[in-house]
This record gives sequence, C-alpha cells and structure tokens, in this order.
Amino acid sequence: AQKVTQAQTEISVVEKEDVTLDCVYETRDTTYYLFWYKQPPSGELVFLIRRNSFDEQNEISGRYSWNFQKSTSSFNFTITASQVVDSAVYFCALSEAPGGANSKLTFGKGITLSVRP
Amino acid sequence: DTAVSQTPKYLVTQMGNDKSIKCEQNLGHDTMYWYKQDSKKFLKIMFSYNNKELIINETVPNRFSPKSPDKAHLNLHINSLELGDSAVYFCASSLIDPPRAYNEQFFGPGTRLTVL
Repeated sequence: AQKVTQAQTEISVVEKEDVTLDCVYETRDTTYYLFWYKQPPSGELVFLIRRNSFDEQNEISGRYSWNFQKSTSSFNFTITASQVVDSAVYFCALSEAPGGANSKLTFGKGITLSVRP
Repeated sequence: DTAVSQTPKYLVTQMGNDKSIKCEQNLGHDTMYWYKQDSKKFLKIMFSYNNKELIINETVPNRFSPKSPDKAHLNLHINSLELGDSAVYFCASSLIDPPRAYNEQFFGPGTRLTVL
C-alpha cells in the first residue's frame, strides 16, 4: 500500500526567509508519480508539480524548487524568499498504477505554512 | 474558462436529508474523481470513473452514489445524510493517456457540506 508522510504539520516563517517542506513516501511500485498541491485559504487545490519516479532531476520554477531523492524516498519542496501569498496548506501526493484508470492520489496530511510580514 | 466546476459551493442541510453535488469538467478528460477532505484537512479518494465506468470505490458507505451521465460529468448523490458527512468534497479530473506519462489531476473548487 502506498503512503505519504509529511511530518511537519505547521511552519511559520518571516517573509523573505527560505523554507523547505518535507515529504517522504512509501510504495512497492517501481514506477510511480509524485505531486505537490497548494491549498490557499480560499480553499481550492492548485497543482504545482508532477515528478515521475524515473526522473530524479531536480526542478526549479521561479522561487519554487523540488528535490527528489529515490534513495531516501523523499520529495522535498523549497520556497525561496517566501512571501505572504505563499501562506497555504501544502500537500504532497503519490500515485501508483500510472497511466491506468486505477490511478488515485494518496495525499499526505498537509503542512500549514504561515508567512508573516 | 472554468476547467472543473462544482455546484453548489456551500450546502447546509439537516440530518436524514438527501442531497446531490454536481461536477463538470471541460478539459476533455476521460477520468473523474471524488475526494473528501475532513475537518483536519485530510484528503481521501472516494470514487473514480473512467469513461462513465466506476473504477475505484474506496469503501465508501452505499449512501453515497456517484453517477456519471457522460465523460464530462460526475455527480455525487448522498442519501440519509449524517453528521459525519460534514466535509469539503472535491471533484477532480485527469486524462489517462498511456503510454505517455501520467497526467495530473485538476480539482474543482470544492463543496462545503454541513450537516446539522
């Protein structure tokens, strides 16, 4: 069975600080997909990134970067120079059975990030 | 412009009532899902439909009945509502397109259900 652990529950930083959100996953599949979603106070779920298990290249998108390490089963998310608008709940998710109709997202419990001015 | 839409956004009702939540996607996706987010923000899959066919039913009480009239719609009907059904329900859709890489799920805005 697949499992996603986000050990941090709440993080509070001051604007412009860098912050890393941790995600550890468990799966028996050799092929799987990892995701990060953002849920701002308005409540919608916003897709941020997808990473395939066979692609360990790190990714940077503006102030966001992701570090995928299969050896430690981790997919961490770093926000550089945080801003108040980054305040949200961030979910890491895992999908096995890629490309099939049985694909479902298993979510971690989420990390509440508060960025203070 | 809306990709995945849900109605209503808020639903307040009495215990024992029957209610429905509608979901529509205009992304041309072939798979749709329902997720439940509880008061602690935990998100869990309930159902998935692929081309109108039920694929995943994640041990959801049979008071919950999804209905997919076509690929673009997946509605959720709930009978005999209970207090514990209070939650935010999210609809999502994706395009399952092997052998290409798996495509992400896009979520609707959510429906906050409150059972009194």
